[in-house]
This record gives sequence, structure tokens and C-alpha cells, in this order.
Amino acid sequence: AQSVAQPEDQVNVAEGNPLTVKCTYSVSGNPYLFWYVQYPNRGLQFLLKYITGDNLVKGSYGFEAEFNKSQTSFHLKKPSALVSDSALYFCAVRRGLNYGGSQGNLIFGKGTKLSVKP
Amino acid sequence: KAGVTQTPRYLIKTRGQQVTLSCSPISGHRSVSWYQQTPGQGLQFLFEYFSETQRNKGNFPGRFSGRQFSNSRSEMNVSTLELGDSALYLCASSFAADLSYEQYFGPGTRLTVT
Repeated sequence: AQSVAQPEDQVNVAEGNPLTVKCTYSVSGNPYLFWYVQYPNRGLQFLLKYITGDNLVKGSYGFEAEFNKSQTSFHLKKPSALVSDSALYFCAVRRGLNYGGSQGNLIFGKGTKLSVKP
Repeated sequence: KAGVTQTPRYLIKTRGQQVTLSCSPISGHRSVSWYQQTPGQGLQFLFEYFSETQRNKGNFPGRFSGRQFSNSRSEMNVSTLELGDSALYLCASSFAADLSYEQYFGPGTRLTVT
């Protein structure tokens, strides 16, 4: 079964410091991995994805994520945090097989609340 | 390009009633998925439609149903509402059913069942 774990319920960072939000996954086959952010009373916004190729992917708002197949991880990073980055972050996975009636939906982690203090 | 829109944004219903939620995907997107978000269970997949066909369904009771129209707009229906159905219901669209495509989410419909 596919699953995603975000081991930290909350991450606290000072503005200007680097941030990391952790994500590990379990999926058969090659994974498709995604990061989304949710601001209060809003839907989810797509940040970035890993499908194949370079293990370091860059996304919106200065975020990047590193895919590590041996550690089955896909941690979200940003070199310098902003107060406006404070939000709920979700990691999600899809099994990377051709769609043929199989499970193509996103499986989400529980989310990590990022708090950036001035 | 306009984003995913969902109507209504807020709903208050009584136990036993039924409700219909609507979703208009991004123009050109043919795949629509629905998710339920609650504090306890997080984000859970309900169903996915592509070209008016349900392609995938999550582990929810039959009280939850959906459909997609020829213009890709989608509706979901919940019958015989229970208190536990109170949640944020999110609709997401993507260009195709290809698994590499990211989904774009609407703002959600906040359903409160009393």
C-alpha cells in the first residue's frame, strides 16, 4: 500500500534561516512525488513535483526538494525562510505506473505546520 | 486563466439531509478529483473523474457519489448526512489523467452538519 509520512507536526524557524520539512514515502514502483501548501481557509497550492530525472527539483516561491531513492525521502527545503511562508505543508505520492484503472489518486501525508518567526 | 472554482463555499445542513457540491475545473482540464479534509483524518481521496467516467474511487460509503458533465464540471452528492461528514471538501483538476500531471485545487466547500 502507498503511504506518506511527515514525521513533524510542526516546524519552527526564524526568518532568514533555512528550513526543511521532512517527508518519507512508501510505494511500489517508481513514485511521483508532490508538495503542496495550504494557507488558512484556502485550498492547496502546488509547489513542486518529482517525476524523473534530476533529484533536486525547484518549485514556486524559492522552494526546492530533494528526492532520495535509497532513503525513500522527498524533503522540502528553502534557503531563507520568510514569515509569509508560515502555512501547512503537505507531501503527496502517486504510484508512477501507467494509468490503467489502478490507483492514480494522490496519497497525502498528515501535513506539517511551518511557523516562521520574525 | 481562472482557477478551480467551487460552490457554495460554506454550507450548513442537518443530519439526514442531502447536499450537492459543485466544481468547475480550470479551462481545458478534463480530470477532476474530490477530497475530504478533516482535522482527524487529514486529506482523503473520494473519487476521480475523467471524460465523464469515474476512474477511481476511495474508501467511502455509497452515500457519497459524484458525476462529471461533458464540459468537465463535476458535482458530488452526499445523502443522509451524518455529523462525521462535516469537513472541507476539496475539488482538484488536472489536464489529463496522466499520473505525472499535478492537480490544482479549488478553495473548498466547508460543510457543517448539525
